[in-house]
Order: sequence, then structure tokens, then C-alpha cells
Amino acid sequence: EVQLVESGGGLVQPGRSLRLSCAASGFTFDDYAMHWVRQAPGKGLEWVSGISWNSGTIDYADSVKGRFTISRDNAKNSVFLQMNSLRPEDTALYYCAKAAMVRGPDLFDYWGQGTLVTVSS
Amino acid sequence: DIVMTQSPDSLAVSLGERATINCKSSQSVLYSSNSKNYFAWYQQKPGQPPKLLIYWASTRESGVPDRFSGSGSGTDFTLTISSLQPEDVAVYYCHQYYSTPYTFGQGTKLEIK
Repeated sequence: EVQLVESGGGLVQPGRSLRLSCAASGFTFDDYAMHWVRQAPGKGLEWVSGISWNSGTIDYADSVKGRFTISRDNAKNSVFLQMNSLRPEDTALYYCAKAAMVRGPDLFDYWGQGTLVTVSS
Repeated sequence: DIVMTQSPDSLAVSLGERATINCKSSQSVLYSSNSKNYFAWYQQKPGQPPKLLIYWASTRESGVPDRFSGSGSGTDFTLTISSLQPEDVAVYYCHQYYSTPYTFGQGTKLEIK
């Protein structure tokens, strides 16, 4: 059974940093791209960042480019999101999502339950 | 960026009746080399993560009831629920995975009339 478990969220002041983690199990982790998607309270879905199976391709939404860094550790079946210079508008539930196809298009077939990030003074 | 616009924003349908949600993309998501639309539909129930329903515009994900169907190509797409069930109450999102930044529609809230 595929499982994605996010952690690392919390309350943080504007300008500070936070590192999110996603622990994956139930599939061959290093075959699939992984992504972070966020959802502000009561709002829709916003793709944040994605990383290919071998970390060779990395993309970011313009809203986080230069502030957030995605990485993965295939030996530990984990993907991370380092978030720096946090802003109140980064407040959201952050989901880890798995790409649906081996080395294929970035369609998300499994999602974690999310970890809540609140940026407030 | 490809902008995804759903209509309506909310919808109330009687049990057993048909529900139709539309999504329009600001540019085509049809990849000419393989004739596939890089387009999907998700369902999100309160307190839960999104669930993949339809991909390639019309392929049902494994385990999704056949009352859910997707259609369309290029820039115009439709999600149809043929006979609404109580468990279908949710917010539905369209999604393009044609190019980054990957984008979603604003969501359509589906309720029982």
C-alpha cells in the first residue's frame, strides 16, 4: 500500500525557515517523480515544486522560486522542501504527491494527508 | 502559465440526477506527438487530500465508479457524474500536467439539492 507521510509543519514567524519532509513507502521510490502541492485554508490547490526520480529535473512555482528548495534522498525514500524567507501568504496545508507513472508525466496519483504551515507573527 | 477555469463554481444536483462540470484551459493541453490530453480531474472531500478520478482527459483511475466520466480535448473538458450519489458530495478540481507550472482550476463545489 502506498503511503506518504508529511512532517515538519508548524507555526513560524515571517522571514524564518522551515523544512518539510515526506516519508514514502509501498512503492519503488526512486522510479517516480515527487511533488509538493499546497492548499491555503479554504482555498484551491497550488502546485509548489517537483523533482524527478534522479533529481535531474527540478521545477518551482514562481511564487516560491528562490526561497524554496526541493530535494530527495532515494536511499531513505524521502523528499524534502526547505522553505526560507517565509511569508504570511505561504500559510497552507502542504501535500506531498507522487507522480503516477514511472519516469512519465507529472500526474499525481497518491497524496499524503498534508502538514500545516502557518506563517504569522 | 496555463490558466484553468472551471464552471460553475458550485452546483446542486438531486440524487440520481446527472452532474456536469466544465473546465477550460487558456491554451491547448493536447500533446501532438502522442495525441494525449495532459488533463486530469480530482475529487476532494472535506478533511481529505485530493483523489485522482480521471486522467488523459477520459481514462478512469482504477477503482473509480463508472458513473464518473471525462470528455473533451484541446482546451475544453467536461466531468460528468451520470447518477449522483451521496458520497459524491465534494469539491472537484481540473488539472493540467502539460507544462510547468502545473495548474489547477479553482474548484467546483458539488452538493445535493
